[in-house]
Amino acid sequence: DAKTTQPNSMESNEEEPVHLPCNHSTISGTDYIHWYRQLPSQGPEYVIHGLTSNVNNRMASLAIAEDRKSSTLILHRATLRDAAVYYCILRSPGNQFYFGTGTSLTVIP
Amino acid sequence: NAGVMQNPRHLVRRRGQEARLRCSPMKGHSHVYWYRQLPEEGLKFMVYLQKENIIDESGMPKERFSAEFPKEGPSILRIQQVVRGDSAAYFCASSDDRNNQPQHFGDGTRLSIL
Repeated sequence: DAKTTQPNSMESNEEEPVHLPCNHSTISGTDYIHWYRQLPSQGPEYVIHGLTSNVNNRMASLAIAEDRKSSTLILHRATLRDAAVYYCILRSPGNQFYFGTGTSLTVIP
Repeated sequence: NAGVMQNPRHLVRRRGQEARLRCSPMKGHSHVYWYRQLPEEGLKFMVYLQKENIIDESGMPKERFSAEFPKEGPSILRIQQVVRGDSAAYFCASSDDRNNQPQHFGDGTRLSIL
């Protein structure tokens, strides 16, 4: 299973954009990049996923490097409800997800 | 459209007892996944099932743990003769038949072993 590397924690001011980085230098050509987040006492929540092109949805944007060895999750305006642990995951063929320890995002009012 | 439902939300067992955790996937989903999360850690994959079949159980402990997803009814994760180290949050996720689609997670069962 390909591994990802994320900072342990990040802080952001409320209503500011947040850029959450993820390195995945051993990604294979068929691995999709998925982002999930987990609020305390809840299950993970899907945020966004992509393969090669940048992706946008109502929650966030995903910027994927040209060589695919890194990606960045962008929250355009952080709110207090965005405080969570964010997981960057590579999905290997066969549908298994392998979670790391993620980035704990603190949003400062 | 109900999400993934897990029950019970909290389960307390004494050492040596059996624990049964249930998961009803989202409507229309035929793929179920179980994960375990220890405090302050990320989720660890345990097992992947489709209806009546175990597809990948590479993350399951070799003894005392089993999982099933029958043709009718919820998926069950069973832990026999529980020990203190089994205390954790157990999450279930489901997805539809298409590859690389998101998994939708339940809110987990928190298992405590006395």
